[in-house]
Amino acid sequence: GQNIDQPTEMTATEGAIVQINCTYQTSGFNGLFWYQQHAGEAPTFLSYNVLDGLEEKGRFSSFLSRSKGYSYLLLKELQMKDSASYLCAHPNTGGFKTIFGAGTRLFVKA
Amino acid sequence: DVKVTQSSRYLVKRTGEKVFLECVQDMDHENMFWYRQDPGLGLRLIYFSYDVKMKEKGDIPEGYSVSREKKERFSLILESASTNQTSMYLCATASTSYEQYFGPGTRLTVT
Repeated sequence: GQNIDQPTEMTATEGAIVQINCTYQTSGFNGLFWYQQHAGEAPTFLSYNVLDGLEEKGRFSSFLSRSKGYSYLLLKELQMKDSASYLCAHPNTGGFKTIFGAGTRLFVKA
Repeated sequence: DVKVTQSSRYLVKRTGEKVFLECVQDMDHENMFWYRQDPGLGLRLIYFSYDVKMKEKGDIPEGYSVSREKKERFSLILESASTNQTSMYLCATASTSYEQYFGPGTRLTVT
């Protein structure tokens, strides 16, 4: 089957580092996405991993281990504006559909 | 920049009404999607289309239909709105790279 698990909520302090984990099951792998969604707004693309390892993009990094069905999103130097939901997602075997996790709501406190 | 627009940000309809939600994109993407998003359930795919006049059921198509007469336009139709269809509806497009571009969403309330 195709399934994605990620924590429901996390809280972190401004300036800190937070890691949001995602585990997935899929019969065919076409990459792993992370999207950010602020309350009341549409999701926006953050990162896409196809190969194992860490990809860094400014304050945000995303890691993938295909053998373990595992990814994480790392947010450094947290800012209040990072308070949002973070969605882990992967295209299905055929590639036409993207399977989304329920999202992790991150609260950044001062 | 990809632009995906939806016909309304907020909509209030009565039970039994026929509801049309429209999505328009300007990037010539082949693939278009309709999702609904509810608290705790995440994004759930209703229908998608990979070409003009082509449509495929997603995970929760019951009570919905779609229309894609032109490449840039993908419409979601609620044949007879019910209160359990109160939700946030999001349209998205994607090229062959799988990255999805979302519209601003329509918050539909059915009373």
